[in-house]
Amino acid sequence: AQTVTQSQPEMSVQEAETVTLSCTYDTSESDYYLFWYKQPPSRQMILVIRQEAYKQQNATENRFSVNFQKAAKSFSLKISDSQLGDAAMYFCAYRPTGANSKLTFGKGITLSVRP
Amino acid sequence: EAGVAQSPRYKIIEKRQSVAFWCNPISGHATLYWYQQILGQGPKLLIQFQNNGVVDDSQLPKDRFSAERLKGVDSTLKIQPAKLEDSAVYLCASSLGWGPGADGNQPQHFGDGTRLSIL
Repeated sequence: AQTVTQSQPEMSVQEAETVTLSCTYDTSESDYYLFWYKQPPSRQMILVIRQEAYKQQNATENRFSVNFQKAAKSFSLKISDSQLGDAAMYFCAYRPTGANSKLTFGKGITLSVRP
Repeated sequence: EAGVAQSPRYKIIEKRQSVAFWCNPISGHATLYWYQQILGQGPKLLIQFQNNGVVDDSQLPKDRFSAERLKGVDSTLKIQPAKLEDSAVYLCASSLGWGPGADGNQPQHFGDGTRLSIL
């Protein structure tokens, strides 16, 4: 069974600084998708960034980028120029390829941003 | 486009009572998901529909939970009778479910969830 591990329960960053959130996963599949979701207090899960495992190039979305290390099964999220609105819970998630495949989430990490 | 709509936003009931949640997915989305998110954990998939058919309900406690999507659009999730451990946020999500990326790359769009408290 696939598992997603986020070992840091909380992190804090100074506004305008950079922070990296860690995630590891376990799978026997060779092709799959990885995601980072943001969940603010409003509770709505918002997709931040996604990575296809067959692509070696790390995904980037504006201030958000990932460090995808397939051999190490590591998928970290880097937030540059942190803003107060980045404060939220962040979830790492894994989904295998294949129709109707299931999305598996980690436990999440609470990010606070200090003004 | 309008997002995934869920109601109610909050619900408080006593144990052994019944409760129902409603979800209206994004228009045109064939796949609908119900997740349970217990405090301090990530969401866990309860059931997945493709149109009005169930694709995966392996983690749905079928002795007390039921869900339906009769016309392939909106869906209801019911708990009867509720237990204390059912206290959680219930999230609904939808995705296109067809066309390019239907093998797992299609993003899931989430609603705001229903926070259920069992007394």
